[in-house]
Amino acid sequence: DAGVTQSPTHLIKTRGQQVTLRCSPKSGHDTVSWYQQALGQGPQFIFQYYEEEERQRGNFPDRFSGHQFPNYSSELNVNALLLGDSALYLCASSLMDRTPNYGYTFGSGTRLTVV
Amino acid sequence: AQSVTQLGSHVSVSEGALVLLRCNYSSSVPPYLFWYVQYPNQGLQLLLKYTSAATLVKGINGFEAEFKKSETSFHLTKPSAHMSDAAEYFCAVSMDSNYQLIWGAGTKLIIKP
Repeated sequence: DAGVTQSPTHLIKTRGQQVTLRCSPKSGHDTVSWYQQALGQGPQFIFQYYEEEERQRGNFPDRFSGHQFPNYSSELNVNALLLGDSALYLCASSLMDRTPNYGYTFGSGTRLTVV
Repeated sequence: AQSVTQLGSHVSVSEGALVLLRCNYSSSVPPYLFWYVQYPNQGLQLLLKYTSAATLVKGINGFEAEFKKSETSFHLTKPSAHMSDAAEYFCAVSMDSNYQLIWGAGTKLIIKP
């Protein structure tokens, strides 16, 4: 049973460029959340998708956008990259009506470096 | 607003000694509380969770945590540290099922031989 799969694992981009990160949730999960983890810090919530809609959003600018597909996979898009966007981006999947009992399953993340 | 404070960015213990990682939270509603572990260059793995059932929660790898409402704490303990426990540990709080997690800054656990 595959867990959460994220791609790519590492990425280097130039300031001003755009990037797309991908996430395939754990089998049976229907909800995907994205987190940004800067070096030496705890993760920060970006947004959550369920039923192909953004259900919750953290304190991130509109440069950060996402999408969820009918197969529950998700993309995170970041436009006009800044140096401060350099971080580990984590995807977490869950089952909408059972999260407290089962928690979130995290992927290994995508390490984004903006130069 | 919810918040999480983890006391000590680094904790060092000897192999075989007690591990105690501290977590205090603030929440306007009964919280859901989680401890996650992160090994270098890896994602986050759930250690244990409190979801308003028993206040003493047992997790994987011999870890446990006790929810103390009066102290707004959810400290993580393990009776005897092992070298493989060296990692970063994060405490997180959520105000509702499937709601966003609010994270502490993490505590790096160092195990001395």
